[in-house]
Amino acid sequence: DSGVTQTPKHLITATGQRVTLRCSPRSGDLSVYWYQQSLDQGLQFLIQYYNGEERAKGNILERFSAQQFPDLHSELNLSSLELGDSALYFCASSVYGTSQNIQYFGAGTRLSVL
Amino acid sequence: GESVGLHLPTLSVQEGDNSIINCAYSNSASDYFIWYKQESGKGPQFIIDIRSNMDKRQGQRVTVLLNKTVKHLSLQIAATQPGDSAVYFCAENIYNTDKLIFGTGTRLQVFP
Repeated sequence: DSGVTQTPKHLITATGQRVTLRCSPRSGDLSVYWYQQSLDQGLQFLIQYYNGEERAKGNILERFSAQQFPDLHSELNLSSLELGDSALYFCASSVYGTSQNIQYFGAGTRLSVL
Repeated sequence: GESVGLHLPTLSVQEGDNSIINCAYSNSASDYFIWYKQESGKGPQFIIDIRSNMDKRQGQRVTVLLNKTVKHLSLQIAATQPGDSAVYFCAENIYNTDKLIFGTGTRLQVFP
């Protein structure tokens, strides 16, 4: 168990809908990262927050947004969902803000858009 | 169920043998590297990391080798066990950025 908690484990929804994925980092970790993993692709970095502030951005679509709350948990919001958004979404956390330190991953949320 | 791509390079080894998983990284400015293991239906799990000022680092049953000249990273697993069966990813951090770039992964299959 990495100590990173993601909910829900599975999510099934329809095209055009909006969903929220939640992540609680390991105790003491200030950074949260979001990744997308599709069947035909590896792990794609989406966005990073450090102590409540956006720190780095990757290939995140404009339909997606995230935030990190004062208690350091994070939410990833996916809107106007398309079939191609079906994927595994992982959250990771680390102590520091730079990526030169170990990121610990949660078990992921499997999103199916029908 | 499967959590990663179906067309990954695959390494098949016999239980007890040593495994070597290779990774070519993309950027000569990368200064930190990390190996993750991902079992089916689970999130990536940290194995070992190495900074660019080192050539080799050892952990328990694992060794990472870094060759900066040819931009190559390898993960050696000694006495491979069935529990080592998983997809292995290398990741690189490019100097002065805050992003880890993941490779496509290698599937390790261990047979008795």
